[in-house]
Amino acid sequence: QVQLMESGGGVVRPGRSLRLSCAASGFTFSTSGMHWVRQAPGKGLEWVAVISYDGRNKYYADSVKGRFTISRDNSRDTLSLQMNSLRFEDTAVYFCAKVNGYYGFDALEIWGQGTVVTVSS
Amino acid sequence: EIVMTQSPATLSVSPGERATLSCRASQTISGNLAWYQQKPGRAPRLLISDASTRATGIPARFSGSGSGTEFTLTISSLQSEDFAVYFCQQYHNWPLTFGPGTKVDLK
Repeated sequence: QVQLMESGGGVVRPGRSLRLSCAASGFTFSTSGMHWVRQAPGKGLEWVAVISYDGRNKYYADSVKGRFTISRDNSRDTLSLQMNSLRFEDTAVYFCAKVNGYYGFDALEIWGQGTVVTVSS
Repeated sequence: EIVMTQSPATLSVSPGERATLSCRASQTISGNLAWYQQKPGRAPRLLISDASTRATGIPARFSGSGSGTEFTLTISSLQSEDFAVYFCQQYHNWPLTFGPGTKVDLK
């Protein structure tokens, strides 16, 4: 069974850091592009970042560029999102998602259940 | 950035009726469009990719059409479990962008 499980969310003060993880199972993680997508409370979906199957290609939304870093460990089937200099507007549910391809230019076919990040003073 | 718009914002439908949702891209995206369904407190679920290809396990009452800048999701006969929010998303260019969603609720 294909599954993605996020963890690492919590309450954090503005300017601090948080690291999210996404554990993958049931598929060959090392051949799948992976994304992070977020959803602020009561709002729509916002794409955050993508990483290619081998970790060499990464793209970010302008809203997080320079503050967030996406990475992956194919030996542990794990995707990560390092979030630095957090802002109030980063408060959201963060989902990881896989595509049916190497580079991420595809529909997001499987999603995790999400982890909640709250930035509050 | 490609801007995605959806209409209507809310669609009130009775069970058994047909629902037609629209999605428009600010520039051509060929057929690089997906539709997702999201229920409260749940992750989005992929319904349609490549504008018209149903994802695994998606019932045949869901169909997608369109290309270029205009796209449509049709639910041929709405079931009770179909009341949800539907998002379109383009994967033609970075950044990937989503539409604001159409809420399908009970008439």
